[in-house]
Amino acid sequence: EVQLVESGGGLVQPGGSLILSCSASGFLFSNYPMSWVRQAPGRGLEFVAGISRDSVMTYYADSVKGRFTIFRDNSKSTSYLQMSSLRTEDTAVYHCLKGVGNYLTLAVDYWGQGTLVTVSS
Amino acid sequence: NFMLSQPHSVAESPGKTVTISCTRSSGSIASNYVQWHQQRPGSSPTTVIYEDNQRPSGVPDRFSGSLDYSSKSASLTISGLKTEDEADYYCQSYGVFGGGTRLTVL
Repeated sequence: EVQLVESGGGLVQPGGSLILSCSASGFLFSNYPMSWVRQAPGRGLEFVAGISRDSVMTYYADSVKGRFTIFRDNSKSTSYLQMSSLRTEDTAVYHCLKGVGNYLTLAVDYWGQGTLVTVSS
Repeated sequence: NFMLSQPHSVAESPGKTVTISCTRSSGSIASNYVQWHQQRPGSSPTTVIYEDNQRPSGVPDRFSGSLDYSSKSASLTISGLKTEDEADYYCQSYGVFGGGTRLTVL
Protein backbone atom coordinates (compact mmCIF):
# COMPACT_ATOMS: atom_id res chain seq x y z
CA GLU A 1 0.00 0.00 0.00
CA VAL A 2 1.36 3.40 -1.02
CA GLN A 3 1.79 5.71 1.97
CA LEU A 4 2.98 9.30 1.93
CA VAL A 5 3.40 11.01 5.30
CA GLU A 6 4.18 14.73 5.43
CA SER A 7 5.72 16.51 8.38
CA GLY A 8 7.33 19.82 9.23
CA GLY A 9 4.38 22.17 8.97
CA GLY A 10 3.61 24.82 11.57
CA LEU A 11 3.36 28.52 12.32
CA VAL A 12 6.07 30.75 10.86
CA GLN A 13 6.44 34.51 10.60
CA PRO A 14 6.46 36.31 7.25
CA GLY A 15 9.95 36.20 5.78
CA GLY A 16 10.74 33.01 7.65
CA SER A 17 11.74 29.55 6.46
CA LEU A 18 10.48 26.00 6.86
CA ILE A 19 11.37 22.56 5.51
CA LEU A 20 8.63 20.02 4.80
CA SER A 21 9.39 16.30 4.61
CA CYS A 22 7.50 13.49 2.91
CA SER A 23 8.28 9.95 4.00
CA ALA A 24 7.22 7.39 1.40
CA SER A 25 6.56 3.66 1.62
CA GLY A 26 4.80 0.90 -0.28
CA PHE A 27 6.60 1.49 -3.58
CA LEU A 28 10.13 1.76 -4.96
CA PHE A 29 10.67 5.44 -4.23
CA SER A 30 13.72 5.90 -6.46
CA ASN A 31 11.70 4.87 -9.53
CA TYR A 32 9.16 7.69 -9.43
CA PRO A 33 8.95 11.46 -9.66
CA MET A 34 7.55 13.27 -6.63
CA SER A 35 5.57 16.49 -6.29
CA TRP A 36 4.03 18.95 -3.84
CA VAL A 37 0.58 20.54 -4.19
CA ARG A 38 -0.99 23.03 -1.80
CA GLN A 39 -4.49 24.12 -0.91
CA ALA A 40 -5.15 27.42 0.83
CA PRO A 41 -8.10 27.44 3.26
CA GLY A 42 -11.36 27.29 1.34
CA ARG A 43 -9.58 27.48 -2.01
CA GLY A 44 -8.69 25.20 -4.90
CA LEU A 45 -5.55 23.22 -5.61
CA GLU A 46 -2.23 24.68 -6.71
CA PHE A 47 0.71 22.71 -8.05
CA VAL A 48 3.83 23.88 -6.23
CA ALA A 49 6.83 21.80 -7.31
CA GLY A 50 7.92 18.51 -8.86
CA ILE A 51 11.18 16.56 -9.10
CA SER A 52 12.27 13.73 -11.38
CA ARG A 53 13.31 10.40 -9.92
CA ASP A 54 17.01 11.21 -10.41
CA SER A 55 16.70 14.87 -9.27
CA VAL A 56 17.90 16.09 -12.68
CA MET A 57 14.65 17.85 -13.57
CA THR A 58 12.51 20.09 -11.40
CA TYR A 59 9.33 22.12 -11.85
CA TYR A 60 8.21 25.17 -9.85
CA ALA A 61 5.06 27.25 -9.97
CA ASP A 62 5.80 30.88 -10.82
CA SER A 63 4.41 31.88 -7.42
CA VAL A 64 7.20 30.03 -5.57
CA LYS A 65 10.09 30.14 -8.04
CA GLY A 66 13.25 31.42 -6.39
CA ARG A 67 11.81 30.94 -2.87
CA PHE A 68 11.07 27.19 -2.69
CA THR A 69 13.37 24.27 -3.44
CA ILE A 70 12.31 20.67 -3.93
CA PHE A 71 14.81 17.89 -3.36
CA ARG A 72 14.85 14.21 -2.48
CA ASP A 73 16.95 11.55 -0.79
CA ASN A 74 16.31 8.22 -2.49
CA SER A 75 18.29 6.37 0.19
CA LYS A 76 15.74 7.55 2.75
CA SER A 77 12.64 7.37 0.50
CA THR A 78 11.96 10.97 1.41
CA SER A 79 11.21 14.10 -0.54
CA TYR A 80 11.52 17.62 0.82
CA LEU A 81 10.21 21.10 0.17
CA GLN A 82 12.45 23.87 1.46
CA MET A 83 10.50 27.11 1.76
CA SER A 84 12.05 30.52 2.38
CA SER A 85 10.93 34.16 2.25
CA LEU A 86 7.50 32.93 3.24
CA ARG A 87 4.50 35.17 2.66
CA THR A 88 1.05 35.17 4.19
CA GLU A 89 -0.33 33.90 0.86
CA ASP A 90 1.76 30.73 1.28
CA THR A 91 -0.57 29.67 4.10
CA ALA A 92 -2.02 26.32 3.00
CA VAL A 93 -2.12 22.60 3.52
CA TYR A 94 0.83 21.13 1.63
CA HIS A 95 0.38 17.68 0.13
CA CYS A 96 3.08 15.31 -1.07
CA LEU A 97 2.25 13.34 -4.21
CA LYS A 98 3.71 10.29 -5.92
CA GLY A 99 4.37 10.73 -9.62
CA VAL A 100 3.75 8.33 -12.46
CA GLY A 101 6.12 6.97 -15.07
CA ASN A 102 9.76 7.62 -15.77
CA TYR A 103 9.73 11.31 -16.59
CA LEU A 104 8.60 14.49 -14.91
CA THR A 105 5.22 14.82 -16.60
CA LEU A 106 3.54 15.94 -13.34
CA ALA A 107 1.09 13.05 -13.72
CA VAL A 108 0.36 11.84 -10.19
CA ASP A 109 -1.56 8.97 -8.64
CA TYR A 110 -1.30 9.10 -4.84
CA TRP A 111 -1.63 11.88 -2.28
CA GLY A 112 -0.49 12.30 1.29
CA GLN A 113 -2.81 13.69 3.97
CA GLY A 114 -0.96 16.98 4.05
CA THR A 115 0.70 19.27 6.59
CA LEU A 116 -0.55 22.75 7.46
CA VAL A 117 1.73 25.73 7.02
CA THR A 118 0.53 29.00 8.54
CA VAL A 119 2.43 32.20 7.76
CA SER A 120 1.42 34.91 10.19
CA SER A 121 2.92 37.46 12.56
CA ASN B 1 0.72 28.93 -20.03
CA PHE B 2 -2.78 27.55 -20.42
CA MET B 3 -5.88 27.34 -18.23
CA LEU B 4 -8.33 24.52 -17.53
CA SER B 5 -12.03 25.38 -17.28
CA GLN B 6 -14.60 23.22 -15.51
CA PRO B 7 -18.31 23.71 -14.80
CA HIS B 8 -18.84 25.07 -11.31
CA SER B 9 -21.33 22.37 -10.37
CA VAL B 10 -23.28 19.38 -11.66
CA ALA B 11 -26.05 17.34 -10.10
CA GLU B 12 -27.48 13.92 -10.87
CA SER B 13 -29.48 11.15 -9.25
CA PRO B 14 -28.12 7.93 -7.75
CA GLY B 15 -27.65 5.19 -10.30
CA LYS B 16 -27.36 7.63 -13.19
CA THR B 17 -24.30 8.62 -15.21
CA VAL B 18 -22.63 12.03 -15.06
CA THR B 19 -19.85 13.56 -17.16
CA ILE B 20 -17.65 16.44 -16.02
CA SER B 21 -15.74 18.38 -18.67
CA CYS B 22 -12.37 20.11 -18.52
CA THR B 23 -11.48 22.44 -21.39
CA ARG B 24 -7.95 23.59 -22.17
CA SER B 25 -7.61 27.25 -23.18
CA SER B 26 -4.70 26.86 -25.59
CA GLY B 27 -2.65 24.07 -27.10
CA SER B 28 -3.72 20.49 -27.63
CA ILE B 29 -5.46 18.63 -24.82
CA ALA B 30 -3.10 15.78 -25.67
CA SER B 31 0.02 17.88 -25.04
CA ASN B 32 0.12 16.82 -21.38
CA TYR B 33 -1.51 13.98 -19.48
CA VAL B 34 -4.79 14.80 -17.71
CA GLN B 35 -5.51 13.67 -14.17
CA TRP B 36 -8.76 13.83 -12.22
CA HIS B 37 -8.79 14.22 -8.43
CA GLN B 38 -11.69 13.70 -6.04
CA GLN B 39 -11.99 15.65 -2.80
CA ARG B 40 -14.79 14.69 -0.45
CA PRO B 41 -15.85 17.28 2.15
CA GLY B 42 -13.31 17.55 4.93
CA SER B 43 -10.89 15.09 3.31
CA SER B 44 -7.66 15.24 1.34
CA PRO B 45 -7.83 14.77 -2.42
CA THR B 46 -7.35 11.37 -4.05
CA THR B 47 -6.64 10.60 -7.68
CA VAL B 48 -9.38 8.76 -9.56
CA ILE B 49 -7.87 9.02 -13.08
CA TYR B 50 -4.25 9.55 -14.14
CA GLU B 51 -2.62 9.71 -17.58
CA ASP B 52 -5.94 10.53 -19.27
CA ASN B 53 -7.72 7.22 -18.62
CA GLN B 54 -5.86 5.09 -16.07
CA ARG B 55 -7.31 4.22 -12.66
CA PRO B 56 -5.16 3.87 -9.55
CA SER B 57 -5.52 0.64 -7.66
CA GLY B 58 -8.78 0.55 -5.72
CA VAL B 59 -10.69 3.04 -7.87
CA PRO B 60 -13.83 1.35 -9.23
CA ASP B 61 -14.32 1.02 -12.97
CA ARG B 62 -17.39 3.25 -12.65
CA PHE B 63 -14.86 6.05 -13.10
CA SER B 64 -13.47 6.61 -16.59
CA GLY B 65 -11.54 9.34 -18.37
CA SER B 66 -11.37 10.39 -22.00
CA LEU B 67 -10.10 13.12 -24.32
CA ASP B 68 -11.86 14.98 -27.14
CA TYR B 69 -9.22 16.54 -29.38
CA SER B 70 -11.66 18.61 -31.42
CA SER B 71 -13.05 20.43 -28.42
CA LYS B 72 -9.69 20.45 -26.58
CA SER B 73 -11.37 18.91 -23.59
CA ALA B 74 -11.04 16.02 -21.18
CA SER B 75 -13.98 14.32 -19.52
CA LEU B 76 -14.54 12.36 -16.35
CA THR B 77 -17.51 10.01 -16.51
CA ILE B 78 -18.96 8.40 -13.41
CA SER B 79 -21.57 5.71 -13.98
CA GLY B 80 -23.89 4.08 -11.45
CA LEU B 81 -23.68 7.15 -9.23
CA LYS B 82 -23.55 6.59 -5.49
CA THR B 83 -24.07 9.12 -2.70
CA GLU B 84 -20.42 8.58 -1.73
CA ASP B 85 -19.39 10.08 -5.09
CA GLU B 86 -20.59 13.48 -3.90
CA ALA B 87 -17.42 15.56 -3.88
CA ASP B 88 -15.37 18.23 -5.63
CA TYR B 89 -13.59 17.00 -8.75
CA TYR B 90 -10.50 18.74 -10.11
CA CYS B 91 -8.84 18.15 -13.46
CA GLN B 92 -5.09 18.71 -13.69
CA SER B 93 -2.68 18.81 -16.59
CA TYR B 94 1.03 19.42 -16.09
CA GLY B 95 1.21 22.15 -13.43
CA VAL B 96 -2.29 23.49 -13.99
CA PHE B 97 -5.45 22.66 -12.05
CA GLY B 98 -8.99 23.41 -13.09
CA GLY B 99 -11.16 25.35 -10.67
CA GLY B 100 -13.07 22.25 -9.57
CA THR B 101 -16.60 20.95 -10.08
CA ARG B 102 -18.94 20.29 -7.18
CA LEU B 103 -20.86 17.04 -7.84
CA THR B 104 -24.12 16.69 -5.97
CA VAL B 105 -25.81 13.29 -5.93
CA LEU B 106 -29.44 13.83 -5.02
